[in-house]
Amino acid sequence: DADVTQTPRNRITKTGKRIMLECSQTKGHDRMYWYRQDPGLGLRLIYYSFDVKDINKGEISDGYSVSRQAQAKFSLSLESAIPNQTALYFCATSGGVPTDTQYFGPGTRLTVL
Amino acid sequence: GQSLEQPSEVTAVEGAIVQINCTYQTSGFYGLSWYQQHDGGAPTFLSYNALDGLEETGRFSSFLSRSDSYGYLLLQELQMKDSASYFCALRNYGQNFVFGPGTRLSVLP
Repeated sequence: DADVTQTPRNRITKTGKRIMLECSQTKGHDRMYWYRQDPGLGLRLIYYSFDVKDINKGEISDGYSVSRQAQAKFSLSLESAIPNQTALYFCATSGGVPTDTQYFGPGTRLTVL
Repeated sequence: GQSLEQPSEVTAVEGAIVQINCTYQTSGFYGLSWYQQHDGGAPTFLSYNALDGLEETGRFSSFLSRSDSYGYLLLQELQMKDSASYFCALRNYGQNFVFGPGTRLSVLP
């Protein structure tokens, strides 16, 4: 089984709808991240969490919110989706020092019409 | 803020050696990482440099020079399966990562 899973894998929705993307991990890591990937822009950090009570905004948090329900679960919500939030979304975990290697989920392709 | 720059595309032939450069601007960071991403797939970790110098992992090596604000990923004995996008990323003092825009490597037969 995959160490980091994301659901759904693909989602098409309409402008104004509320969407939740879910991420679960079995690696036992405390650190979890949500990234957005757009062509030519690399991965941009939306939110990150270093434990259940710790939530931090990333580079592009506007229009998004997150919930860390447990050590293993980190959800990303789009309160009112807009077309420019169409992108590939990745969840990642890391175990900390020394390299802080990030382990990515398979991604969720979101299309907002 | 922090920013990283990479060439958008690199092309090489099978069996050759290719170097993918990464230049950055930052006020401070712990280290420079490299990730590989195949089309339709998730990024996977390749290498990490905390200190200046060369780190070697099989066919892949990564280099960092803090004085030059520069790093590179070196891929030797290129194989067709190395065709992918490669991202450099800084681990900053805020304990999160900033990624470069990525370099798409095409390996030709």
